Amino acid sequence: DTAVSQTPKYLVTQMGNDKSIKCEQNLGHDTMYWYKQDSKKFLKIMFSYNNKELIINETVPNRFSPKSPDKAHLNLHINSLELGDSAVYFCASSPSGIPYEQYFGPGTRLTVT
Amino acid sequence: AQSVTQLGSHVSVSEGALVLLRCNYSSSVPPYLFWYVQYPNQGLQLLLKYTTGATLVKGINGFEAEFKKSETSFHLTKPSAHMSDAAEYFCAVSEGTSGTYKYIFGTGTRLKVLA
Repeated sequence: DTAVSQTPKYLVTQMGNDKSIKCEQNLGHDTMYWYKQDSKKFLKIMFSYNNKELIINETVPNRFSPKSPDKAHLNLHINSLELGDSAVYFCASSPSGIPYEQYFGPGTRLTVT
Repeated sequence: AQSVTQLGSHVSVSEGALVLLRCNYSSSVPPYLFWYVQYPNQGLQLLLKYTTGATLVKGINGFEAEFKKSETSFHLTKPSAHMSDAAEYFCAVSEGTSGTYKYIFGTGTRLKVLA
């Protein structure tokens, strides 16, 4: 059983388009995250949701809008895509409370042309 | 704010040799520390973690790390490298308060294992 899944795995699109990435976890965790990994492998948190409530919102352009319809899902919608948005986006989840380890999805490689 | 420094973006070892990947952190409070491994085109997988208690932490695949408060370090070691250990390794520290934890990752170390 896949613990944290993301769709799609690959996404190629043109500048100016709008796209969404979906994430689902079946671990029963309360907290979910979105990370961006750039071409140099640097991993930076973008957002975190706890029980569907946004709790961490790093300095991310407002073209990025996360949505959590329920505890098990966290989607990322990106408007007006730019070349610099090309990266691998990882979803992760963890139990809330003390900082448990996070469980990562396989990633979505977004390429903007 | 907390931070993590990984010394050496690339490390090469021979198969069977000792693996040592360095991680230093800065934190004003007792940290929670993690090592993750990322194989090509995959997500991150937890190797081991330090929260409280014993400072020598054992993880999966024969890896271990020692928390040294005086040196603010959490270096990752493995006595004998295997070809399958070739991957990217990330050290991470958590910061925050109950329910609102943020994980800060180091810039990663790519481990290459030579036959």
